Amino acid sequence: KQEVTQIPAALSVPEGENLVLNCSFTDSAIYNLQWFRQDPGKGLTSLLLIQSSQREQTSGRLNASLDKSSGRSTLYIAASQPGDSATYLCAVRLEGTGNQFYFGTGTSLTVIP
Amino acid sequence: EAGVVQSPRYKIIEKKQPVAFWCNPISGHNTLYWYLQNLGQGPELLIRYENEEAVDDSQLPKDRFSAERLKGVDSTLKIQPAELGDSAVYLCASSPVTGAKAFFGQGTRLTVV
Repeated sequence: KQEVTQIPAALSVPEGENLVLNCSFTDSAIYNLQWFRQDPGKGLTSLLLIQSSQREQTSGRLNASLDKSSGRSTLYIAASQPGDSATYLCAVRLEGTGNQFYFGTGTSLTVIP
Repeated sequence: EAGVVQSPRYKIIEKKQPVAFWCNPISGHNTLYWYLQNLGQGPELLIRYENEEAVDDSQLPKDRFSAERLKGVDSTLKIQPAELGDSAVYLCASSPVTGAKAFFGQGTRLTVV
């Protein structure tokens, strides 16, 4: 079974800082990896999807990288804003499983004004 | 374009009572998922549909949980009877095809008292 770990569990930074969230997974035979954002009491909002053949994806101030061989992905947030405060989840799909996501427990981010 | 719609948003019931959740996926999305999310944890798959067929229900507690997806569109998840430990957020998600980006609804927060 795929194990997905996210470090740190919680992070607090002042506004304007650049920051990195980490995701590691045990089975490198992944199909793709997706980063989500979850606001308190809300569902998940998709941020970036990286296919197994890709090294990174960018959207605005967000950049996600993928290193399959080492079982790692990072989400880089540039110039953080208070509105970025949320829980960030990474989810991995394995090859051959037909579509099941394996989620990490998330990193709770607080950006202090 | 409308996103994934779930109802109700919140539900409080007494233990041993039945409860049902409804999900309307994004139009044209063949894959539909139901996930369970406990507080402070990542979502865990309950069941996945490809069109009207349940292709992965290995983690669905079939003694009390049931689901259906009529005509391959809307889906209903039912619990009967509910137990205290079922208190959680139930998330529905959909994606257009296998492996594509998944979109989540707002979730239904169930409290069993």
